[in-house]
Formats: sequence, C-alpha cells, structure tokens
Amino acid sequence: DAGITQSPRHKVTETGTPVTLRCHQTENHRYMYWYRQDPGHGLRLIHYSYGVKDTDKGEVSDGYSVSRSKTEDFLLTLESATSSQTSVYFCAISESKASGDYNEQFFGPGTRLTVL
Amino acid sequence: AQRVTQPEKLLSVFKGAPVELKCNYSYSGSPELFWYVQYSRQRLQLLLRHISRESIKGFTADLNKGETSFHLKKPFAQEEDSAMYYCALSEGGATNKLIFGTGTLLAVQP
Repeated sequence: DAGITQSPRHKVTETGTPVTLRCHQTENHRYMYWYRQDPGHGLRLIHYSYGVKDTDKGEVSDGYSVSRSKTEDFLLTLESATSSQTSVYFCAISESKASGDYNEQFFGPGTRLTVL
Repeated sequence: AQRVTQPEKLLSVFKGAPVELKCNYSYSGSPELFWYVQYSRQRLQLLLRHISRESIKGFTADLNKGETSFHLKKPFAQEEDSAMYYCALSEGGATNKLIFGTGTLLAVQP
C-alpha cells in the first residue's frame, strides 16, 4: 500500500461536537483529497489540496473545513458534527503526471465516523 | 455536467459465469476512465485504466466513445472477485480530481 494512514480509524461522537480526522502520507505527493463514502452515493469529494495551504471545495463541502500546513498532513474538520455526517471517510493522494500520463489516486484505509 | 452512472447496485452471478459491470459517463472532453475495486475491509485500489488497455485479474474494459461507456468484463467469474467496483472519470487538468459512480457490488456465488 502507498504510504497513507488515517487516524482515527473509528470514532463515535455526539451531535454538535467538533471532530478532526487526519490523513498522513509519506509519498511526498502534491495532491490530497477527502471523500465520503455512503451507500447509494459512492464516493463524493469533500475538499482537496493542491499544495501546502492550497485547498479548494469539492462536491459536498458544506459543514467541513480542511487544512494543510505540511505536505504530509491533510486535516478534515467537522466544526459541529451532525448525524448526516455519519459516514466512512477516505483520504487519497496523487502526484502530478507528465502530459499523457494518467491520474491515479491512492487511497487510505478509511475512517468510520458515527455521529449520535 | 460531468457524471458517471453505474446502473446496477448489485450484480449476483455464479462462479464461472461471465460478468459485465456497466459504466456510462457524461463528459465533454476526451475522458480518462478508471475502475477501482474495494474488497471487504480493504481500501480502494486501482483495478485498471482505459489508457493502458491492460487486463488485470482477468478483467478488461474498453472505452466506447460512441456509447459513452466503459463496461468492465470478465469471462469467468471467481469467488474472490466478490467486491465493490467503482467506475471513475478524471476531470483532467492539474487537480487530478475524480468523479466516481455509485458503485456496483459484485457477489459471486459458489
């Protein structure tokens, strides 16, 4: 597996509490992504980063914020967790490819978050 | 709008039967398409990509631009093929973002 870890792997929290998920990579890849995986919706992009301190919104960014202060770490924060944010969260990384190459993403093991 | 459609939530076949997982896409440019697989309790991993025209674990997928499809096929299913399969479309450009379909769960019965 590519050097991608996520912490925590499982978390149960209560509605209204803040939650931070961490993605750590040892590949020195430029791009990092946060997805959520839900039945019937597949994977949906929450936020992504294209460099240190450079981030942008994805398809389902409401209620989430991110930060990337170092190349290797990408944090996802739920400022005030809601039950609709119960999901499995995946981090992914990729690197810039020369023209004509494909854009493979490598995934972390996932974090299962339950908001009660 | 760019979109990936996987019409089947579940596909159940018997061992040794042929498998076809459907994927259709909507994209205005020249697409880059992928199939990712997630085995039980494991992380998503790339199965194959259209640009390399390869066969991985007996699976193949051909890009049909006329039908805007990228169906995944295998002539003889094995029990170890049971997994969730996602079709994905690259938006291209510098961000390397992917748009995923909703996934198809393949269940291969003995």
